[in-house]
Amino acid sequence: DTEVTQTPKHLVMGMTNKKSLKCEQHMGHRAMYWYKQKAKKPPELMFVYSYEKLSINESVPSRFSPECPNSSLLNLHLHALQPEDSALYLCASSQRPGSSSGANVLTFGAGSRLTVL
Amino acid sequence: AQKITQTQPGMFVQEKEAVTLDCTYDTSDQSYGLFWYKQPSSGEMIFLIYQGSYDEQNATEGRYSLNFQKARKSANLVISASQLGDSAMYFCAMRENSGGSNYKLTFGKGTLLTVNP
Repeated sequence: DTEVTQTPKHLVMGMTNKKSLKCEQHMGHRAMYWYKQKAKKPPELMFVYSYEKLSINESVPSRFSPECPNSSLLNLHLHALQPEDSALYLCASSQRPGSSSGANVLTFGAGSRLTVL
Repeated sequence: AQKITQTQPGMFVQEKEAVTLDCTYDTSDQSYGLFWYKQPSSGEMIFLIYQGSYDEQNATEGRYSLNFQKARKSANLVISASQLGDSAMYFCAMRENSGGSNYKLTFGKGTLLTVNP
C-alpha cells in the first residue's frame, strides 16, 4: 500500500463544476507536491509546499488552486477546467524541503485520474 | 536542450534475463541526484534507486543497479532476472541542487518495458 493516499481515484467533471482532489500522508514529511501527467508523458511539476507554505508555483493557471491545511494534507481545488486539463494528477511528499540528500526521496501517491467533459 | 534523455521509447526482454534502460543527463551543477522511478499501468510512481553525484559506488537495490558513468553523464538502470511484474514505464529523473531548484525533479520521457514470458 502506498503511504501517500489520494482521493478520488477517478473524477469526471464538467467545465462549470467545482471539485477538489485530496492527498494525505502520515510519514511526517514537510514538503508536498502536485504533479500533472498527461498520457504517455512524464510528470510535470505544478506546486510545491514547504512547511505548509507555497514555495513553488510553476505558472499554473488560476483555475487550479492548491491548499495545504496542515502538514499531512494537501488539496487541489478545481474550477472552470478545460478538457485539456484531463490528466493524471499525482501528489508526492518528501521528508526535508530543499534537502539535496539522497534520503529526501519523493514518495508518490497512486494519482487521481481526472476527465473534464 | 533536454536535461534528461531516455532514447529507448520501448524495450522488450525475456523473463529471467537482464535488461539495461539508458539515461543520459545534462547539468552544469557539481551536486545533483539521479533517480529511477517505475510507473505501472495503475499510475503510481514507485521509487527504485538513487545515485548522488558524489557517490563513488554504483547504487544497488535488490535486482536494480545503477550504472553511473559521471564523465559520460549517463545513469543507466540495470534490472537483473526480469519478472513479468517488471512490465511498466520507467522514468529517469534528476534533481539539481543549486539555485533553489532542489525541490524539482526533471523527468525523462520514459521507457516502456515489456517482459515476455
